[in-house]
Amino acid sequence: DSGVTQTPKHLITATGQRVTLRCSPRSGDLSVYWYQQSLDQGLQFLIQYYNGEERAKGNILERFSAQQFPDLHSELNLSSLELGDSALYFCASSGHRDVWGYTFGSGTRLTVV
Amino acid sequence: ILNVEQSPQSLHVQEGDSTNFTCSFPSSNFYALHWYRWETAKSPEALFVMTLNGDEKKKGRISATLNTKEGYSYLYIKGSQPEDSATYLCAFATGNQFYFGTGTSLTVIP
Repeated sequence: DSGVTQTPKHLITATGQRVTLRCSPRSGDLSVYWYQQSLDQGLQFLIQYYNGEERAKGNILERFSAQQFPDLHSELNLSSLELGDSALYFCASSGHRDVWGYTFGSGTRLTVV
Repeated sequence: ILNVEQSPQSLHVQEGDSTNFTCSFPSSNFYALHWYRWETAKSPEALFVMTLNGDEKKKGRISATLNTKEGYSYLYIKGSQPEDSATYLCAFATGNQFYFGTGTSLTVIP
């Protein structure tokens, strides 16, 4: 157990639907990062939150949004889902010194049918 | 979007062979270089975080070097074992973003 908890582990949904992925960071970590890993692609950085505020944005589609709550857990909302959104979505958390690397959760596998 | 390249894309070696792979990254705005090991069906596990030009890190049979001036890092595995089979990812960190390479997939054949 890495200390970063992601739920659900698996999700199957239809095109056009909306889903919410949840991440609880390691205790004490203020930063949460979301990544997408799709077939034949490397990890794509989506977005980072630090202590409730958006800190950095990567290749996140407008149909996707995220937030970090006061208890530091984060949610990634994916809407108007398309087949191409099927992927593994990872969350990672880090302490106040990002340079020391971070810890990944076990991921949510999203399948859009 | 910054380009982080890893080579080779995949590698098959015999048990006991030593091997190495490369991560290339932009030499400007360098903050840190991370190496991760990613086994199938598990989440990536941090191996090394390197911040200084000339850094060398070692963890058991795995070591890494860093050249920030020319923008590359090497990961070495000495005496590969089947349990080393995994994808090895590098990530380049600027001030506030990480950029991951697509990884090198290593298969160690018993």
